Amino acid sequence: GNSVTQMEGPVTLSEEAFLTINCTYTATGYPSLFWYVQYPGEGLQLLLKATKADDKGSNKGFEATYRKETTSFHLEKGSVQVSDSAVYFCALRAYGQNFVFGPGTRLSVLP
Amino acid sequence: DTAVSQTPKYLVTQMGNDKSIKCEQNLGHDTMYWYKQDSKKFLKIMFSYNNKELIINETVPNRFSPKSPDKAHLNLHINSLELGDSAVYFCASSQGDGSPLHFGNGTRLTVT
Repeated sequence: GNSVTQMEGPVTLSEEAFLTINCTYTATGYPSLFWYVQYPGEGLQLLLKATKADDKGSNKGFEATYRKETTSFHLEKGSVQVSDSAVYFCALRAYGQNFVFGPGTRLSVLP
Repeated sequence: DTAVSQTPKYLVTQMGNDKSIKCEQNLGHDTMYWYKQDSKKFLKIMFSYNNKELIINETVPNRFSPKSPDKAHLNLHINSLELGDSAVYFCASSQGDGSPLHFGNGTRLTVT
């Protein structure tokens, strides 16, 4: 079946540090890939998405590139802020199938 | 102008009681979902409805019963609540393959 693996957290960084959260997936066919962010006490919000190989999704300074050869969709940001502290979820959806979420990675950014 | 709204935000109740959580979306989406998030933030799908018809029913106790009066609403009724039901429940909706999920802000259920 389809699955998503994320790096285990928590990840703790200082403000303005570079962020990478690794995500790899297993799926049949060509799934769409997503990153969601969950701030404390809130629901999950779509951060970015990519629907085909080599697509780059970007939003709010975050980026992720759909790499079919390595089945990866790593999330990156060049300079994190305290306000980026949240839980980040990688997810996929293959055609005609349900969403599959990774376990989430908690990010804490210290001032 | 909230896209997916669910009520209540917090629900504290005793074991054995019956409770309901309501969800409404104004995005015009055809498919709605219920997810359960445990204390470790792991998300598990419970149900999915497409145009008022049940299309996914994961391994969930039959004490949980979803009801969809129309495609904009998907309510969750839980009978005989147990301690292990304590979690955050999220409603979500989507439109078509490749489209993202839109989540509500969650209902934190605490069973004492």
